[in-house]
Amino acid sequence: QKEVEQNSGPLSVPEGAIASLNCTYSDRGSQSFFWYRQYSGKSPELIMFIYSNGDKEDGRFTAQLNKASQYVSLLIRDSQPSDSATYLCAVNPPPYNNNDMRFGAGTRLTVKP
Amino acid sequence: DAGITQSPRYKITETGRQVTLMCHQTWSHSYMFWYRQDLGHGLRLIYYSAAADITDKGEVPDGYVVSRSKTENFPLTLESATRSQTSVYFCASRRGQGVTDTQYFGPGTRLTVL
Repeated sequence: QKEVEQNSGPLSVPEGAIASLNCTYSDRGSQSFFWYRQYSGKSPELIMFIYSNGDKEDGRFTAQLNKASQYVSLLIRDSQPSDSATYLCAVNPPPYNNNDMRFGAGTRLTVKP
Repeated sequence: DAGITQSPRYKITETGRQVTLMCHQTWSHSYMFWYRQDLGHGLRLIYYSAAADITDKGEVPDGYVVSRSKTENFPLTLESATRSQTSVYFCASRRGQGVTDTQYFGPGTRLTVL
């Protein structure tokens, strides 16, 4: 089992819809979780992080964390074509120092006008 | 403000050759990282450095060497390149170790080993 798993997609949603991206992780003790966006041919950029159970909202983005289920998700409301990218989930495993983060392989999202 | 840069952006080399990828950041960030990105694997950490002269292995360090004599530079050397090291390499830097310290990535170097 991979440490961080994501559905590779592609996930296709119409413009204006909600895109839901999911990530599961294997280390139950993981403490912080990150979502990165990566446009084709570009480098990853941080969208948001979460470390407490529940929801965290930032503009059109909402991260949801459920540590009991070892599940973290990213919701993108009012999806725009400019949101079309690969979304990477990253998890902070032992020793929980944010130095050796483990990344999922990413989910490719396409938002159709 | 250049931020974080990598050179070269593209490199083709042959099996057995030594290759050095350069990374430079202008923020005086303490932490610097080297990742490789391959289809199906996502980003995997090769090495990281917490400060000048302090480096540590990541998930996939075999076949790579790093050094950090100056805070702003973090070169990655493939001592004897192999085809399995064909990948996109990203350097990253971060101010501190806290969860609120954002990790910034360089533009990447696409390396092909023939």
